[in-house]
Amino acid sequence: QKEVEQDPGPLSVPEGAIVSLNCTYSNSVFQYFMWYRQYSRKGPELLMYTYSSGNKEDGRFTAQVDKSSKYISLFIRDSQPSDSATYLCAMSGGGSNYKLTFGKGTLLTVNP
Amino acid sequence: GAGVSQSPSNKVTEKGKDVELRCDPISGHTALYWYRQSLGQGLEFLIYFQGNSAPDKSGLPSDRFSAERTGGSVSTLTIQRTQQEDSAVYLCASSLNGPNSGNTIYFGEGSWLTVV
Repeated sequence: QKEVEQDPGPLSVPEGAIVSLNCTYSNSVFQYFMWYRQYSRKGPELLMYTYSSGNKEDGRFTAQVDKSSKYISLFIRDSQPSDSATYLCAMSGGGSNYKLTFGKGTLLTVNP
Repeated sequence: GAGVSQSPSNKVTEKGKDVELRCDPISGHTALYWYRQSLGQGLEFLIYFQGNSAPDKSGLPSDRFSAERTGGSVSTLTIQRTQQEDSAVYLCASSLNGPNSGNTIYFGEGSWLTVV
């Protein structure tokens, strides 16, 4: 079992839809949880950063962490064509806080 | 600079040749990271620098891979005797300190390496 599992998609939605992206993980030491967005042939860009369990909202984006279930989510409200990208979850913790463990990414397309 | 800068952005090399990839982190960032992104594999951690020292080199896939950082700034990732399986995007990232306590990790746009 990989440490971080993420459905690779692809996921295609109409403009304005609510998008839900998810990751599960197996290592209970993870404490820091991140979502990155990566456009084609670009580097990953940090979207959301959450420490431990709970919710965090930033504009149209909401990140949720449920450590008891080892499950994290990213919700995108009122999705736009410019949201079309690959979304990567990442996490770190324990004695290797500097080392991010990534999911493989979910490719999202928002159709106008 | 404004962001993490990497060069070359694209490199095609022949199998068996050595390549050097350069990373210029955000000014003032003490932590620097190298990751590799292969098709279907996601991002894999290679090495972490704090200042000029590398406390964790555990992700380097073989002894053909090495990295150094000088002056607490620029880093070079060297791949000797390249193999086709080395073809990937090599991403450099930096953060103000380590990634704890909300220190954001910023990525460069990567060096796209193709070994033919």
